[in-house]
Amino acid sequence: KAGVTQTPRYLIKTRGQQVTLSCSPISGHRSVSWYQQTPGQGLQFLFEYFSETQRNKGNFPGRFSGRQFSNSRSEMNVSTLELGDSALYLCASSLGLGARYTGELFFGEGSRLTVL
Amino acid sequence: SQQGEEDPQALSIQEGENATMNCSYKTSINNLQWYRQNSGRGLVHLILIRSNEREKHSGRLRVTLDTSKKSSSLLITASRAADTASYFCATIETSGSRLTFGEGTQLTVNP
Repeated sequence: KAGVTQTPRYLIKTRGQQVTLSCSPISGHRSVSWYQQTPGQGLQFLFEYFSETQRNKGNFPGRFSGRQFSNSRSEMNVSTLELGDSALYLCASSLGLGARYTGELFFGEGSRLTVL
Repeated sequence: SQQGEEDPQALSIQEGENATMNCSYKTSINNLQWYRQNSGRGLVHLILIRSNEREKHSGRLRVTLDTSKKSSSLLITASRAADTASYFCATIETSGSRLTFGEGTQLTVNP
């Protein structure tokens, strides 16, 4: 069974640009969560999607958005990039909503974003 | 904000020794999980312990949970160089479904 796939793995953008990251969950998983990881802030929850609906949202500005498609694939978008958006963006999938009932999250390898 | 605080932030040991990492959290939880992350890679789930459990084992891993102290510990026995990684505890609050991560412990196992 294929794992969680994130694309692209690495990308470099400049301030003011926008970026779209993609995540394909494990087949059969309906929940996709996104996390931002930086050395200073650690792992911060961005949002969670289940059945194409955003179910949870973290404390990030409106520049951060996402969506989920009918095949459970998810994208997140960051507009008007700032230097502080440089981070590893991790996507995770699970069978049910979050990890509350099903336990573990399955993570992808991440997309490393560098903003210059 | 982080739900969990981990201690120590960094730990360096020799192969064959045991490694113990601690995690404290703030709210009532549904379960607590431990994840491992190799440098720059994704996180891998290690073990889950529910709020009504006190101890759990998986191979060389032993996890304890003390809900009265809001703390957990992860013990890795007979460590190997391949255990070198960052280890994170993560909690799910009883009222929610999102997983909130601690700050992590960087473990280095020297051959």
